[in-house]
Amino acid sequence: KQEVTQIPAALSVPEGENLVLNCSFTDSAIYNLQWFRQDPGKGLTSLLLIQSSQREQTSGRLNASLDKSSGRSTLYIAASQPGDSATYLCAVEIYNQGGKLIFGQGTELSVKP
Amino acid sequence: GAVVSQHPSRVICKSGTSVKIECRSLDFQATTMFWYRQFPKQSLMLMATSNEGSKATYEQGVEKDKFLINHASLTLSTLTVTSAHPEDSSFYICSASKGYGYTFGSGTRLTVV
Repeated sequence: KQEVTQIPAALSVPEGENLVLNCSFTDSAIYNLQWFRQDPGKGLTSLLLIQSSQREQTSGRLNASLDKSSGRSTLYIAASQPGDSATYLCAVEIYNQGGKLIFGQGTELSVKP
Repeated sequence: GAVVSQHPSRVICKSGTSVKIECRSLDFQATTMFWYRQFPKQSLMLMATSNEGSKATYEQGVEKDKFLINHASLTLSTLTVTSAHPEDSSFYICSASKGYGYTFGSGTRLTVV
C-alpha cells in the first residue's frame, strides 16, 4: 500500500531564506508526483508536476526534484516571501489506478516578514 | 485553461437533511472526476472516483449510500451527502484531469448542525 510522508509538518522561517520541503513515498511504481499549495480554507493550486521519467521541474523560485528509486522528492523554495505562507502538499499518482492520487499530510509553512 | 468550478463554497445544513455539491470542468471535458474529503489539519483522503456514464468507484470505508455521486455529463459531477450528521462536517474537494496533472475545485466547507 502506497504511503506518502512529508517532513516537517510545520516550518517557520524569516523572509528571504531558502528552504526545502521533503516528501517520501513507499512504492516507487508511480506515474508522477505533484506538489500543491493550499491556502487556509481553499482548494489546491498545482505548483509542479514531475513525471516518473523526469528528475526535476522548475517554476520561478520553485524547484522540485524526484528520486524514484529512493522514494523521495524535495520542493526547494528560493528567497522565501510572506506570500509563500501556506500548506504544501505532495501527491503521487499510482500506476493503473485510474488517476488516483495519494497525498502526504502536508507541510505548513510560515514565512515571517 | 483547465478550470474546475465547485459550488457551493460553504453550506450549513441541519442534521438529517441532504446536501448536493457540484463540480464542473469549465473549459475541458473530464471523463473522470475525483472526490476528496479533508479534516482540519489533515491531508486529503480520496472518497470516490466518478466516471461519466457509469457508477462511481468508492474507496474502502466510504458509504456509497450516504455519499451519492452522479456523473451525468463530461463536465459535471455531483456529490450528495444524504441524511447528514455532524460527523459529516468537513471540507470536500473535487478534482478533474485534462490528461496531464489534476485541477482541483476550490472546495466546499460543509457544516452540519
